[in-house]
Order: sequence, then structure tokens, then C-alpha cells
Amino acid sequence: EADIYQTPRYLVIGTGKKITLECSQTMGHDKMYWYQQDPGMELHLIHYSYGVNSTEKGDLSSESTVSRIRTEHFPLTLESARPSHTSQYLCASSGLDGGEPQHFGDGTRLSIL
Amino acid sequence: QKEVEQDPGPLSVPEGAIVSLNCTYSNSAFQYFMWYRQYSRKGPELLMYTYSSGNKEDGRFTAQVDKSSKYISLFIRDSQPSDSATYLCAMASGGSNYKLTFGKGTLLTVNP
Repeated sequence: EADIYQTPRYLVIGTGKKITLECSQTMGHDKMYWYQQDPGMELHLIHYSYGVNSTEKGDLSSESTVSRIRTEHFPLTLESARPSHTSQYLCASSGLDGGEPQHFGDGTRLSIL
Repeated sequence: QKEVEQDPGPLSVPEGAIVSLNCTYSNSAFQYFMWYRQYSRKGPELLMYTYSSGNKEDGRFTAQVDKSSKYISLFIRDSQPSDSATYLCAMASGGSNYKLTFGKGTLLTVNP
């Protein structure tokens, strides 16, 4: 079983608040990812990192930002939440080899009022 | 055309049935193929992982890849109510830019 943890699991918060979604993994994986998942839709990659101090934007444009100061930690931040940010956010990690599969956390279900 | 197409279902079968789940894709560079299972309010869980064409079996689950037809399948034998979940196919070309492209997922219900 993959050891990747996301907190909080659920968050309901008002418009304009600053939000940080936490993601930590204990597998020593270099690569980490953030996906957005809406009901009935594909997972869309919004950010990824290949290691400490490396972050890239994914295929889906997002107003969120990420940081990677430690290998095991990859937090996602929304400076000013809006109702359009309501979604499920999934964090994943994988090893460095090109073909390694990704392992997912259980996600944060975010609802902006 | 989307890179990966997956019939969203829903698919409802009786317990003990053989289930076939499928995805087609258009990118001939894909070499790595995965099936994930996602229970309600949980993250995707890696179920099967294959490289290139061929079959892979793990217990009641068999994954098939046909690169010539750009078609992958997941078979579940003797399906159980605990198999009720959304099944996501995912694929990647590998190399240094390892990104997964997902299907929309198929919702499966196995009725006791």
C-alpha cells in the first residue's frame, strides 16, 4: 500500500480565503504530482515536480501554486479561493524511472462557498 | 479526438460475472499501460501495470494490451460486490517526461 497522505480530506470555506492543501509521501519518491478531478471527468494534471526546487505547470491551467522544499512534501496553495476552485484535488508520487507508475493519496474534496 | 477514450458506463453485472472494461487510444507513443480502481471518496489505487503489448494476469484480473489496434482491456473473473468501483485506464509514453493520460473511468456495480 502506497504511503501518501493528504490533508485535509474535506474543506468547505468561504470565497477569498487563502488555502493550503498538504501532501506528504514516505516512499522517498522524487516525482510528485497534483491532479484535479471533477465528477465524470478525467483526471487533469495541474502541477508536477521532479525533485526539490523543481516545479512545473501541468496540462490544465490552474490559479494554484506549489512548492517543493523537501522531497517528501508538496503543498498546493490557493491565494484567494473562488467557487470555480471547487473540485477534488489528488496528489500522487512516483520514482524517477520513466515507466514507474504513480501512487495516489485519497484526495482533498474542496468546496468554496 | 481525445487521446484516450473510455466508455463511462455505468456497467451493472451480477455477482460471479466476467467483466470486460476497455480503452482505446490514439497516441502510438504510449508504451506503459495502467488500470486504477477508485472507490467512492478515495484516491485511485494501482491495479495492473503493463509495458508494451501482451497479457498480464494477477488473481482474478487480466490486463491485455494490443498496440497494433491501440486497444487495452481489463477482465475481471468471478466478479464480487467488493469490485464495485470506478475503473480508470491510464497510459504514458515514458522517458524523462513521465506524464499519465487518463480515461474518464467506467463505473462498475456488481450486484449480490
